[in-house]
Amino acid sequence: QVQLVQSGSELKKPGASVKVSCGASGYTFTMYAVNWVRQAPGQGLEWMGWINTNTGNPTYAQGFTGRFVFSLDTSVSTAYLQISGLQAEDTAVYYCARRGNFALDHWGQGTLVTVSS
Amino acid sequence: DIVMTQSPDSLAMSLGERATINCKSSQSVLYSSNSQNYLAWYQQKPGQPPKLLIYWASTRESGVPDRFSGSGSGTDFTLTISSLQAEDVAVYYCHQYHSHPPTFGQGTKLEIK
Repeated sequence: QVQLVQSGSELKKPGASVKVSCGASGYTFTMYAVNWVRQAPGQGLEWMGWINTNTGNPTYAQGFTGRFVFSLDTSVSTAYLQISGLQAEDTAVYYCARRGNFALDHWGQGTLVTVSS
Repeated sequence: DIVMTQSPDSLAMSLGERATINCKSSQSVLYSSNSQNYLAWYQQKPGQPPKLLIYWASTRESGVPDRFSGSGSGTDFTLTISSLQAEDVAVYYCHQYHSHPPTFGQGTKLEIK
C-alpha cells in the first residue's frame, strides 16, 4: 500500500537549519509529484509548493522562497524539505503529500519542527 | 490566488444528525474542458494528517463511508455527513486544485453536541 513516512520531530535554535525527509513506498516514486504543506500550531493548512519527482524541478508558493528548498533522492524514493535560517514563526508541523490523479491522496504523518532558544 | 471560504467555522451536532459544511471559492474551479470541479474535501482528526474524503467535488475516495457526500459546482460546494458518528469528530477542509497555487479553506471544526 502507498505510504509516506517522514522523519521525526526536531527542536532547533533560531538561525539553525533543518532537513525533513519523506520516504515513499508502495508505488513508483517518479510518477507522482510530492507536495509540502505547513500547519502552524492550532492553524489550518498552508500549501508550500511541490517538486516534480521525474525532473527534480521544484515550485515554491509565495512566502516559501529563499529559505526553503525541496530536493529528492530518487534512488531511495525520498523527498526532502530543508529550511535554513529558522525563525520562531517556522514552528509548525510539516507534511509531505502525494499529488495523485485526484488531489493530495496520501499524506505523511507529519514532522513537528520547533524553533526555540 | 483563489480564496476558499468555509462556513461555519465550527459546528456541534448530535449523533445521528445530518451535518452540512459549505465551501465557497472566489473563482470557479470548474474546468470546462472536462467538466470537472477541481475541489476536494479532507478530514483531519487530532494529531493525525489530513485524509482525502472527496475529490472532483463529489467522488468518494476508496474506503470512505457512504454517509459522506460532496456536491456543488463552480464556486459553491457542500460536504454532507448524513448521520453523524462519534468518529466523525474532526476538522474538515475544502481544497481547490484548479489553479496555482492550490489553496485550502480555513477549516470547519465538527463536534458532538
